[in-house]
Amino acid sequence: NAGVTQTPKFQVLKTGQSMTLQCAQDMNHEYMSWYRQDPGMGLRLIHYSVGAGITDQGEVPNGYNVSRSTTEDFPLRLLSAAPSQTSVYFCASSSIGDSGANVLTFGAGSRLTVL
Amino acid sequence: AQSVTQLGSHVSVSEGALVLLRCNYSSSVPPYLFWYVQYPNQGLQLLLKYTSAATLVKGINGFEAEFKKSETSFHLTKPSAHMSDAAEYFCAVTQGNAGKSTFGDGTTLTVKP
Repeated sequence: NAGVTQTPKFQVLKTGQSMTLQCAQDMNHEYMSWYRQDPGMGLRLIHYSVGAGITDQGEVPNGYNVSRSTTEDFPLRLLSAAPSQTSVYFCASSSIGDSGANVLTFGAGSRLTVL
Repeated sequence: AQSVTQLGSHVSVSEGALVLLRCNYSSSVPPYLFWYVQYPNQGLQLLLKYTSAATLVKGINGFEAEFKKSETSFHLTKPSAHMSDAAEYFCAVTQGNAGKSTFGDGTTLTVKP
């Protein structure tokens, strides 16, 4: 059982380039989300999805696009990379458990550097 | 709106000493509260969660946390620190919409031999 798989693990981009961070989960979770982690700032929510075909913005959505065509996949697109997007990106999936709590399962992260 | 404040970005303890990591939250409705741990170069994993079933919650690796509504706190403790506990710890709160967890800024725990 792979859980949440993110690719690539590392990426270096030049300013203005575009790329897609891939995220796939095999737990049949209905909810998926993308966070960025910056030193001293915790994790900030970029976009999230409550099911296939449904996405919404989080706290820091500017410069990022998402889509959710299947339950398993939730790619994050950077349309025109900027140095401010240098960060570690985490994808997470979740479902509501018996307790009603929404426990996140995280991928291993993707470290992006924009020059 | 919901928010989380973790007091102390860095905590250092000696091996065998008490670990106390502080978390205060704000939430307009009864919250779900979580502690996650991140080891170097890894993703986050769940330590424990509060779901209103019990105010004292036990997690993995000997950690526990107590929900105190009057203080809006959810502090994480461990009676005796081990070298393997060195990591970054995040407190998180969720209310309502699934997947929209709000995280604190994190506390880095260092354990000295």
